Formats: sequence, C-alpha cells, structure tokens
Amino acid sequence: DAGITQSPRHKVTETGTPVTLRCHQTENHRYMYWYRQDPGHGLRLIHYSYGVKDTDKGEVSDGYSVSRSKTEDFLLTLESATSSQTSVYFCAISESRSTGGDTQYFGPGTRLTVL
Amino acid sequence: AQSVTQLDSHVSVSEGTPVLLRCNYSSSYSPSLFWYVQHPNKGLQLLLKYTSAATLVKGINGFEAEFKKSETSFHLTKPSAHMSDAAEYFCVVSDRNFNKFYFGSGTKLNVKP
Repeated sequence: DAGITQSPRHKVTETGTPVTLRCHQTENHRYMYWYRQDPGHGLRLIHYSYGVKDTDKGEVSDGYSVSRSKTEDFLLTLESATSSQTSVYFCAISESRSTGGDTQYFGPGTRLTVL
Repeated sequence: AQSVTQLDSHVSVSEGTPVLLRCNYSSSYSPSLFWYVQHPNKGLQLLLKYTSAATLVKGINGFEAEFKKSETSFHLTKPSAHMSDAAEYFCVVSDRNFNKFYFGSGTKLNVKP
C-alpha cells in the first residue's frame, strides 16, 4: 500500500468553526489531491497540488483552501465549516502527470461531521 | 466539458456469473479513462486504465474494459463474479491535461452466493 495517512480520521465540529485536515505521504510523489465523497455524487475534486506551493482549484473548491509547504504534506482547511461540508474526505497522490494520467493512490479517508 | 455517467447505481449478480458495469463518458478530446474500486469502509484502488493504447484493457482480479469511441463507452466486465468482488465501482475521466479527474456517481455491485 502507498504510504498515505490522513488525520484526523474522524471529526465532529460545529458550524462556523475552522477545520484543518492533513494528508501525509511517504512516497515523495509530486501530485496530491483532495476529494470529497457524498452519496450519489461519487468523488469530487476540491483542490490539487502539482508541487510545493503549487495548487489549483477543482470542481468544488468554494469554502475550501489548501496549502502545501512540504512535498509530503497537503493541508485542507475549511475556514468556517458549514453543514453542507459534512462528508468523507479522501486524499490521493500520484507520481507524475504522465501521458494519459498516472495512477492515483488514495488514503483511508476522514469522516467529517459539521453540526 | 468532460463528464462520466454510470448507468446503474446498483447491480446484483450471482457468484460465478458475468459482471457488466456500464460507463458512458462525454469529452471534447480523446480522454484517459479509469475504473477504481472501493470496498466497504476502505479507500479506492485502481482496477485498470485506458490511455489511448489498446482499446481492450485488462486490469487486476480478472476485470477488463473496452474503450468504444463511437459509443463513448468504457464498460467494465468480468467473466465470473466472486464474492470478494462486492464493492462500489467508479468510472473516471481525466481532463485534457491529465491534472483533474472526474468521477462517476458509482455502481454498487452485490454478489449473491
């Protein structure tokens, strides 16, 4: 299994509070992604990173920010959590952007509940 | 814009019978396509990917998929289902630059003994 950890694995928080989720990899892969998984929607890309301090938006980026100060860490921040952000969050990594797209390796997920 | 439609939200088969999970895509360019599997309470794992080489792609655990441009389809098949195949399956399409990936809504496969 690819060395990807996510912390925390479970979190319950209240509306309006800030929340930071952490993704840590030991594979030295260049690309890192944050997705959210909701019933009936599959996984939707929030943000991704193509290198240290290089990030870009995905299809559902509103209300989320990210940072990547080191190759191994990719942080997802909800500045002011809302109930619509209750979801399971997955981090993924890939080694390169090879022709056709590289395999993504997924972390175990973080279940976030916003009350 | 690119998108993926998984035509069945649930599929139920008996053990030992064939599996067919359907995926149609929409794209203005020649995309890369993937199938991922998610077992209950687990992360996702790549089954197979199509990247403009052979149109029939073989993956892990006996799965394969055929890219049909004329039908804009990338259906996943397996000749004989096993109980361990019970999981949720996602069809995925890349964007033009292979930076972003768009997931279908998923198909839950149930395998009956």
